Order: sequence, then structure tokens, then C-alpha cells
Amino acid sequence: EVQLVESGGGLVKPGGSLRLSCAASGFTLSYYSVNWIRQAPGKGLEWVSSITTTSTYIYYSDLVKGRFTISRDNAQNSVYLQMNSLRAEDTAVYYCARIIGDNGYGSGHYDLWGQGTLVTVSS
Amino acid sequence: EIVLTQSPATLSLSPGERATLSCRASQSVSSYLGWYQQKPGQAPRLLIHAASNRATGIPARFSGSGSGTDFTLTISSLEPEDFAVYYCQQRADWPMTFGQGTRLEIK
Repeated sequence: EVQLVESGGGLVKPGGSLRLSCAASGFTLSYYSVNWIRQAPGKGLEWVSSITTTSTYIYYSDLVKGRFTISRDNAQNSVYLQMNSLRAEDTAVYYCARIIGDNGYGSGHYDLWGQGTLVTVSS
Repeated sequence: EIVLTQSPATLSLSPGERATLSCRASQSVSSYLGWYQQKPGQAPRLLIHAASNRATGIPARFSGSGSGTDFTLTISSLEPEDFAVYYCQQRADWPMTFGQGTRLEIK
């Protein structure tokens, strides 16, 4: 089955860190750019970060720049999001998603999403 | 940042009726616009990409139109499973942005 599976979410105190993983199965993730998108409880969707196939281009939302780091290991068919200096406003379900129609810079639309992993930042 | 404004915020219709959802961009996004459907507790699902192209496996009752700043998602005849929240998304410029969503509810 073609799918993305996120893991690594949980409860963390403000200022803490978490590392999210996004593992692909049923297809070769290295052929695709991947984005992280988050959704705060009861709210809409918010783009977080993007990485191209060979990590040549990486982009971040201004809200997470300097605190979050996206990376990938194509040999492991996985993408990661290292989140440091977490704040209460980072509380959300984090989705990884595969890009289609990539313009070469990692932007596009998302044709495959994971089920999401919940990150809760609270003391 | 390109702001996407969706209207209406909530749309109340009955099965079998036609639904028309709007997405307006604060500046031109050409045809770089997609539509997603999200049901409670689920990840979003891509319906339309590049403004008017149905994604794989999406029924023909879903159609997208528009270019520049004004876009429309039309569901020709609502099925019970279509009641959900719908988001538009632009990929024309960084940061990529989403609209705030339209909730399609059963009347």
C-alpha cells in the first residue's frame, strides 16, 4: 500500500524539542519533494516546511524559521522535522505530504498525506 | 504573503443539490491553485490541482475553474459523503498558503 506514516509526536514542555519522522512505504520517496503541514486544534491548515528530492532547496515558514529543521534520508525512505524551542502555539497535528507538480523548488500540491502526529506543547 | 479568502464560511445544502465554493487570492496565482476535502479526524484529500484538474480517483461531480485571483469548486450533485470542510491552497509563491476553509453541512 502506498502511504506515509508520521511518528514522534507527543507532549513536550515549552522550550523543549521533538523530532518527527515521516516514513514512506509502497513507493520511492526520493522521487518526490515533501512538505510538513500542521493544523492546530479546530483550526485550518498551515504550511511549515519544504524539502526537495536531493535537499537542494529547503524552505520554512517565518513562524518556525530558526527553530525547526527539515531533513531527509533517501536510503531510509524518510523525511524528518527537528523541532526545537517549542512554543504553545506550535501545538498541532503535523502532517507530512508528498508533492505533485513540483516546479523543482519543492512547491506543488499534495497528493498523498500521512495520518498526522499530534504535538502538544504545554507545561 | 498571498492571502486566500474562501466564501462562504459555511454552506448548508441538501443531498442532490449543487454546491459552489469560492476562493479569492490577494494577488494572481495564475492556475497554481488546488482544492482539498477534509473530514473529521482525517487528513486532507486532494480533489483538484492546477485549478481545474481532478486528482486521481476523484469523482466527476467535482470540478474546478478559474485563474488569476478567482476560483470556484463545484460539486454538481451532493452525495452524503461530500459533507466536509474544503480548503484551497496556492503554490504560486512562498510561503504556500491555504484558505481558511468552507464547511459544507447538511441542511
